[in-house]
Amino acid sequence: EAGVTQFPSHSVIEKGQTVTLRCDPISGHDNLYWYRRVMGKEIKFLLHFVKESKQDESGMPNNRFLAERTGGTYSTLKVQPAELEDSGVYFCASTLLRDPGAEQFFGPGTRLTVL
Amino acid sequence: AQSVTQLGSHVSVSEGALVLLRCNYSSSVPPYLFWYVQYPNQGLQLLLKYTSAATLVKGINGFEAEFKKSETSFHLTKPSAHMSDAAEYFCAVRGSGSARQLTFGSGTQLTVLP
Repeated sequence: EAGVTQFPSHSVIEKGQTVTLRCDPISGHDNLYWYRRVMGKEIKFLLHFVKESKQDESGMPNNRFLAERTGGTYSTLKVQPAELEDSGVYFCASTLLRDPGAEQFFGPGTRLTVL
Repeated sequence: AQSVTQLGSHVSVSEGALVLLRCNYSSSVPPYLFWYVQYPNQGLQLLLKYTSAATLVKGINGFEAEFKKSETSFHLTKPSAHMSDAAEYFCAVRGSGSARQLTFGSGTQLTVLP
């Protein structure tokens, strides 16, 4: 069974440009999460999808970030326009159940560098 | 709201020595606690989890953790470190909100010295 995949693995862009990150969860996992780790800080929650619906986007930093999950399969996270402070590693995770004890399966992350 | 504190951003041990990584949590409700490990260029991998059953939890690769409610702690231990244990370790607590998102500590980088 394939794990959570993320694309690209690395992205280097100029301030003001647009970047789109993609996450493919484990097949059949309705719950999809985005997290971000800014350099030296803790990993922080961004938002949660159940199928194609946003359940909680309380962690989204501002309206320059837009997440979508059309069709309830893969998800994209767009940053437009990117700022220097957006640099970090963006992780995606998925889980079949919303049970609080259920394991979240993480992808390898996308390292975003904004110059 | 939940929070997690990991004491020591960097820990070094000699190969064969005891590994002890500290985690303290804050939660207003019974917590679900997790330890994840991240090896270089890989995603986070679950080591073990506490879900209100046994307080001593055994995980993969010889790691275990003990839930101590009185101390609000969930420290990770391994009796004998191996070079392959060098990685970054994250303690996390599961929220009680609808999203069930994880709240992470700041991570501990473990170095194993030969």
